[in-house]
Amino acid sequence: GAVVSQHPSWVICKSGTSVKIECRSLDFQATTMFWYRQFPKQSLMLMATSNEGSKATYEQGVEKDKFLINHASLTLSTLTVTSAHPEDSSFYICSATPPRGDAYEQYFGPGTRLTVT
Amino acid sequence: QKEVEQNSGPLSVPEGAIASLNCTYSDRGSQSFFWYRQYSGKSPELIMSIYSNGDKEDGRFTAQLNKASQYVSLLIRDSQPSDSATYLCAVNQGGKLIFGQGTELSVKP
Repeated sequence: GAVVSQHPSWVICKSGTSVKIECRSLDFQATTMFWYRQFPKQSLMLMATSNEGSKATYEQGVEKDKFLINHASLTLSTLTVTSAHPEDSSFYICSATPPRGDAYEQYFGPGTRLTVT
Repeated sequence: QKEVEQNSGPLSVPEGAIASLNCTYSDRGSQSFFWYRQYSGKSPELIMSIYSNGDKEDGRFTAQLNKASQYVSLLIRDSQPSDSATYLCAVNQGGKLIFGQGTELSVKP
């Protein structure tokens, strides 16, 4: 149990285009999902908390108009990187906490590696 | 001072030895602590959670928590080459996970 998937696993796009990344909880419903970004040799940085049916909560320094988050259902959250630039190239990972078990354990998706050329 | 601090390593241990990974945190009110393992190019995998002072054992892994010292550690017994990865300490603060920078562990055959 507690399986989280992401799609795509990797994507290459041109500068100025937009890219959508999907995060799904496969065997549980998640009212809250989290989006992280990880640059090479660095730790995970929380970008935003995605709340089903309401607006996402963004961390300080994360541009909400650039990183659009939509949590339209209890099993799906999407992150859209708008007008991508090479500095947005990174490993994007989502996570979710299943309603059973420990309240704060987060389970991560496999990640999406974005390369902007 | 960083909120969650770990030695970046690399920590190198021989196969079969005990690997000891350490983490300190700054928020004294933190109640939930986690260890994640991350292989190169992959996403983190939860291996241990601990909420109470003392030790928690799961197979070859033992997590230790000392809230008074704001210190949490992970011991890996009988280390295997497959344990070679980066180990991330995470602390729950207000429903969000704050991660340390990770300790790279290398287990030599």
